[in-house]
Amino acid sequence: GESVGLHLPTLSVQEGDNSIINCAYSNSASDYFIWYKQESGKGPQFIIDIRSNMDKRQGQRVTVLLNKTVKHLSLQIAATQPGDSAVYFCAENGGSNYKLTFGKGTLLTVNP
Amino acid sequence: DGGITQSPKYLFRKEGQNVTLSCEQNLNHDAMYWYRQDPGQGLRLIYYSQIVNDFQKGDIAEGYSVSREKKESFPLTVTSAQKNPTAFYLCASRTSGAGTDTQYFGPGTRLTVL
Repeated sequence: GESVGLHLPTLSVQEGDNSIINCAYSNSASDYFIWYKQESGKGPQFIIDIRSNMDKRQGQRVTVLLNKTVKHLSLQIAATQPGDSAVYFCAENGGSNYKLTFGKGTLLTVNP
Repeated sequence: DGGITQSPKYLFRKEGQNVTLSCEQNLNHDAMYWYRQDPGQGLRLIYYSQIVNDFQKGDIAEGYSVSREKKESFPLTVTSAQKNPTAFYLCASRTSGAGTDTQYFGPGTRLTVL
């Protein structure tokens, strides 16, 4: 079936570096994508979203890029801080507005 | 966690017992969801409800039951038929209408079977 996956399960960066977390999706009907951050023992926290009519969207220190040609999504975090250490996962809507499919996540570790 | 509360934070269950996890939201959201999260895996959908008094099975509904008698509340019961219930359970909600795909999550309940 259709699924959302990640290229890298773990990512370790130095404080102050930029981080890039990748996500591949396979459902061509998906037109909405979300990135969530989940700290240990807590619920996922919404970071940023993007619709398929856009290629790029920026937030505070975060940027999401969408490449529909190769079905690829990425999250860029600028000037990564220790507080950014968490699991990040993407989700796609499969063309519906009531269900999301989630990837397994990438563990980001920021070294001071 | 934005107006979604889950209780208890930790729950222990003996084999053969049913337990109910609470989820309440004050966001006036129409849709509510229950997910299960296991280590190293993504979120898997158990049940969802788009309006009061209506709900649908998700991908792993066996051994679970829900009710949606009030807009604010969507309790999940883990029955004794669920063979491997130890997991982190997450509730989410979403408003309705076009362009409203974003789901917001509660803090989660960690269920452990003794």
